[in-house]
Amino acid sequence: DARVTQTPRDKVTEMGQEVTMRCQPILGHNTVFWYRQTMMQGLELLAYFRNRAPLDDSGMPKDRFSAEMPDATLATLKIQPSEPRDSAVYFCASATGPLTDTQYFGPGTRLTVL
Amino acid sequence: AQKVTQAQTEISVVEKEDVTLDCVYETRDTTYYLFWYKQPPSGELVFLIRRNSFDEQNEISGRYSWNFQKSTSSFNFTITASQVVDSAVYFCALRRHGGYNKLIFGAGTRLAVHP
Repeated sequence: DARVTQTPRDKVTEMGQEVTMRCQPILGHNTVFWYRQTMMQGLELLAYFRNRAPLDDSGMPKDRFSAEMPDATLATLKIQPSEPRDSAVYFCASATGPLTDTQYFGPGTRLTVL
Repeated sequence: AQKVTQAQTEISVVEKEDVTLDCVYETRDTTYYLFWYKQPPSGELVFLIRRNSFDEQNEISGRYSWNFQKSTSSFNFTITASQVVDSAVYFCALRRHGGYNKLIFGAGTRLAVHP
């Protein structure tokens, strides 16, 4: 049963620290998404990659957030420096491509910035 | 503009009751896709169904059924004979046709099924 995996599942950190979240997409999926879920904003798209190339990161605060795909099996989302308002659940999702576009989500990383 | 509205914030039912979760969407596109996801208390988002705009046939999967009506821009989800394990937040989502796969999510409906 192929699944998207994310690490860590929970992260508590102090304001100003760097946070790195990792995602392993389903093998063979070439499209990867990062979403953030908060009570106030709901689910919002942060960034989107296809074939490891970033196609849209307009939803991401550029000054502190960065997203990369070092290889086809790893996507990372980094926050530096972190702030309390970054506290949220961060989801990674993957899909096989533009035609078969169902996105399968990972379990999420719950981030708490104190 | 694209928008998904789930007007029911919370629904509470007793086990074995049938329950319908409403989803109304807005789009000017003629081709689009609709989805339902389930988020149980454990937090993960579980894909339930995808429907293409050109396929208005209703779908049934066990106790779950979906009623897609383009005339009213609705894609409602019914759980028959609800169970405690159905307790979750359910999200309806919309995606445009084309290369950019951005999902537009509704705010979600929290379903509580009591024994």
